[in-house]
Amino acid sequence: SQQGEEDPQALSIQEGENATMNCSYKTSINNLQWYRQNSGRGLVHLILIRSNEREKHSGRLRVTLDTSKKSSSLLITASRAADTASYFCALALSRGETSGSRLTFGEGTQLTVNP
Amino acid sequence: NAGVTQTPKFQVLKTGQSMTLQCAQDMNHEYMSWYRQDPGMGLRLIHYSVGAGITDQGEVPNGYNVSRSTTEDFPLRLLSAAPSQTSVYFCASSYSLWGEKLFFGSGTQLSVL
Repeated sequence: SQQGEEDPQALSIQEGENATMNCSYKTSINNLQWYRQNSGRGLVHLILIRSNEREKHSGRLRVTLDTSKKSSSLLITASRAADTASYFCALALSRGETSGSRLTFGEGTQLTVNP
Repeated sequence: NAGVTQTPKFQVLKTGQSMTLQCAQDMNHEYMSWYRQDPGMGLRLIHYSVGAGITDQGEVPNGYNVSRSTTEDFPLRLLSAAPSQTSVYFCASSYSLWGEKLFFGSGTQLSVL
């Protein structure tokens, strides 16, 4: 499979708590990206981490990448009700494994942050 | 900038009908793509384009056609709609040809009866 697999499928937490979502994959990648999708809306890019990077931060988001384990995690700190959404990891496949440039998406993690 | 604009937002078709989903971007992006989103299956790539006049198939191209006559527009045509094509369709574009950040439209919800 050339798409990532998110874990857990669903996560419910209280406001102020941290939320951690994981993405595992099996192929070689150029980069890994995380997107958010609010109900009924398009996906919004959150953060991109390249295969030679181990950790990136953006505001309350922290992403790690372990290429030896082929896994990534997205941490949202001090969550808010507005963070309620689906979160997807997307793999940018290495040039040698695809006939074109594209991103493949996992099935997502549904995060619910309760007020 | 409007970003990526998709029309229509909702559409109901009967089996066998044809229609075109429109997608336009005003960011001068070379890369454009179409995904469909189905429950439990994530987003699957239908077709993509790396520039005007250049298109290629994604994971699930059957039953769909695309063309790219201009940098701005990338319409998706359903030739003969089938119930299996009931889905939410997203158009996305990127400034890079090699898997960089995608900008998504707001989606078209299509039902085929």
